[in-house]
Order: sequence, then C-alpha cells, then structure tokens
Amino acid sequence: DTAVSQTPKYLVTQMGNDKSIKCEQNLGHDTMYWYKQDSKKFLKIMFSYNNKELIINETVPNRFSPKSPDKAHLNLHINSLELGDSAVYFCASSRMPGAGELFFGEGSRLTVL
Amino acid sequence: DAKTTQPPSMDCAEGRAANLPCNHSTISGNEYVYWYRQIHSQGPQYIIHGLKNNETNEMASLIITEDRKSSTLILPHATLRDTAVYYCIVRVGSGNTGKLIFGQGTTLQVKP
Repeated sequence: DTAVSQTPKYLVTQMGNDKSIKCEQNLGHDTMYWYKQDSKKFLKIMFSYNNKELIINETVPNRFSPKSPDKAHLNLHINSLELGDSAVYFCASSRMPGAGELFFGEGSRLTVL
Repeated sequence: DAKTTQPPSMDCAEGRAANLPCNHSTISGNEYVYWYRQIHSQGPQYIIHGLKNNETNEMASLIITEDRKSSTLILPHATLRDTAVYYCIVRVGSGNTGKLIFGQGTTLQVKP
C-alpha cells in the first residue's frame, strides 16, 4: 500500500482552467502538506494542515485553495491556471505539526499550456 | 531562505563511501539538521536527522561538528541507486509552525 498517494500523476490543461489534485495518506498522521517544485527544482512549502485545520500558508496566491475533508486527505484546487503554475506538486504528511520527518507522495506534474 | 549551503554536485565511485558536506553556520542551539534525498522523478525521502550527536541508521551516518556549524552525511557503500539530489535542511520556526525549507541540494552521481 502506498503511504501517501496523489492523483492525478500528470495533468495537462489550458490557461484559465480550474483543476484539482487529490492527496490521501494511510499512515494515520495528523499533519499534511503541499509543496511545489518548479522547473529549477526548488521545493517550496505552500500549505500545512493539522487535523483539518490550516496552520501554514506561505503567501500563496488565493487562486490556490487547499481543502482537508478529514485528516487523511488534503486536496489542492487551483483556479484560473497560469503558465507559472506549471510545476510538480508534492503532498506530504507527518505524525504531528512541526515535525521534521515527512513522508512525500510521488508528485503530480501539472503543465499549463 | 534555506539556512544551509551545499556543493551543487559530487561524484562517487560505486562501493566507496560518499561524504556529502553541508554548512549551516547560522544554526541555533535547538535547531535540528535533517537530510533528505530525491531520486529522479520521485518524492523526497527522509534519510536521517540530528541535533548535536552523531547519528547512524540503516541508510546513512550523520556527523555534526562540535560547533554545529557544519555536518557531513555519509553513505558508507554507495550504489548506483544512491544517485540522487541530497538536501541538507535546518528546520526553521518552532512548535506547530516549524517547517522544512529546502535549498538547492547536492546532486550525487554514483559511477560504476
């Protein structure tokens, strides 16, 4: 069983569209994250949720809206997609907020044309 | 910004030890050093972490200098599958808002 799973793995879409990426973890962790890795390979934290509550928001445009229906799921919805949103988005989880040992998913590669 | 600096790339012969250095001269007394790696097209993978003492697990060893301003990750017998980008990270913030800020990392190429 995959510990942190993301869908879809690949997503190609046009500018202006709205898309979602889903993430699920089966580790029983309380905390989940979204990271973005751009074309230069920098990994940047975007959001962190602890037990469905937002605890970190790294000044991400409000076109990005995370939603956590329960502590095992953290979805990322992106409105009005722009070219600069093209990246690989990684979901991760940890046992508790602020922990340094994160478990990452395999990533979702988003390409905006 | 990341609080660490690493060489952008290194080579290592298969079967030999890979020693990856990291500078973190502005580290605070209670900040841990974490190491992750990212194999091509995969998510980052936790390797090891430490505060003051040297640490060892089934993947690697972590040597932290006495002044804590630098550390070295050691892969004792590198294999081709260890080819990856290795990130040295000092967790910033405290409590629930502590977070990992990834830098550029070191691309380790293990050669046959």
